[in-house]
Amino acid sequence: DTVLTQSPALAVSPGERVTISCRASESVSTLMHWYQQKPGQQPKLLIYLASNLESGVPARFSGSGSGTDFTLTIDPVEADDTATYYCQQSWNDPPTFGGGTKLELK
Amino acid sequence: QVQLTESGPGLVHPSETLSLTCTVSGFSLTGYSVYWVRQPSGKGLEWMGRMRYNGDTSYNSALKSRLSISRDTSKNQVFLKMNSLQTDDTGTYYCTRDPEDGGYWGQGVMVTVSS
Repeated sequence: DTVLTQSPALAVSPGERVTISCRASESVSTLMHWYQQKPGQQPKLLIYLASNLESGVPARFSGSGSGTDFTLTIDPVEADDTATYYCQQSWNDPPTFGGGTKLELK
Repeated sequence: QVQLTESGPGLVHPSETLSLTCTVSGFSLTGYSVYWVRQPSGKGLEWMGRMRYNGDTSYNSALKSRLSISRDTSKNQVFLKMNSLQTDDTGTYYCTRDPEDGGYWGQGVMVTVSS
C-alpha cells in the first residue's frame, strides 16, 4: 500500500504562511487530496487533485505537487485554521491517508 | 442536495459482527462510488473499502478477511459488515464519496466495542 508521510505537528502565528507537506512512498500522479478536520467533526475537503480548490473553501488555501511530493499552503493563517490536516491519495489501490498534521496557532 | 447518513448500533460486544448502513440522497449509487472510512478515537483516518458505481467492491487488505460491503440501489443504501470485532475497532465510522466527485461525508457513527 502507498504510505503517505506527514509531519505530526506545526505551530504558527496568525497572519503567517504555513506549508504542510505530504510525501508518498510511490508516485500518485496528481491524485492527492487534502482535508481539514476539527475535533468532533467529519473531515472537510479543501483541495482535490493536488491543486484544485473545493467550492466554498477560502482562497487562502492552496495545493501543489505531483508524483511523490505535495504541499498544502495556508496564507495567511487565521485562528480558525487550528485543526488536523490529512492528505489522501487515490491513484494507487487501496486509497490511503497520511497520519495527519496538527496545526496549532501560537 | 447530496447527503450521506450513517446508522448502526453504538455498542457492539467483542467477537460480534458490526452492521452499518449508509443512506444517500441527492445522487444515484449507480453513478457514484461510496467509501467507508473509520477513525479510532484520537487517531487518524483509515480507508476501509469501497462500493463502486458499477457494483464492484475493493477492500483494505488489512481488513479484507473480516469486511463485506454491499448495496441496495433501490433504497439508496450501502452496507458495511465487519465480523470478529475487537476493542481496537472502536471509533467513528464514516461513509463518503470519492473526493474527485465532491467532498461529501456523513456525520459519522460512533461505534464502541466493549463487553
